Amino acid sequence: QVTLRESGPALLKPTQSLTLTCTLSGFSITTGGMGVSWIRQAPGKALEWLGLVDWTDDKFYSTSLKTRLTISKGASNTQVVLTMTDMDPVDTATYYCARAYMNSWLFDPWGPGTLVIVSS
Amino acid sequence: QSALTQPPSVSGSPGQSVTISCTGTSSDVGGFNRVSWFQQLPGTAPKLLIYEVVDRPSGVPDRFSGSKSGNTASLTISGLQTEDEADYFCCSYTRRREWVFGGGTKLTVL
Repeated sequence: QVTLRESGPALLKPTQSLTLTCTLSGFSITTGGMGVSWIRQAPGKALEWLGLVDWTDDKFYSTSLKTRLTISKGASNTQVVLTMTDMDPVDTATYYCARAYMNSWLFDPWGPGTLVIVSS
Repeated sequence: QSALTQPPSVSGSPGQSVTISCTGTSSDVGGFNRVSWFQQLPGTAPKLLIYEVVDRPSGVPDRFSGSKSGNTASLTISGLQTEDEADYFCCSYTRRREWVFGGGTKLTVL
């Protein structure tokens, strides 16, 4: 069974950096065609795609956020890490990771998400 | 503002059909058959309903179907059930090597 789970801080102060970890189970990020994507959703708002790393370690980033984002694979290939710098209250959102099946251009399944609040 | 345009809300009665549109440009929806649809129940993560415009993952009822014409993709839900009441989001790959989501549509089953 394929599952993903996000973990990281629930509360940050403005200007701090966010580091979230997505722990994978049931698949490997190094398997051909696989990837992991990060998506966020501000309270009551739409989904916003942030970025993706694929099995070749190629990385795709949202044009509007790429100067603040880094996505990397963990050493064990069972974790993918998102780092976002210079956090602001507008970055308050639930952050999701999802398996990207690149052959069919789909995101499935998703982790349950983790709420990150940015407040002074 | 979201890159893909969806109606904020749609509604229908049990047993009826509803269609949710998702309008983009030739750089995303119109340029690729890489449109997917997600259902999000309150307080839960999105669930994949449709991928590559028309394909359904195993386990998704055939009441859910997808299509595309030009720069607009559509999700049709036939035989509406009360448990279909949720938010629906479209998503497309783009020429800029990124993905974009629609603003979401709230489905109310009357």
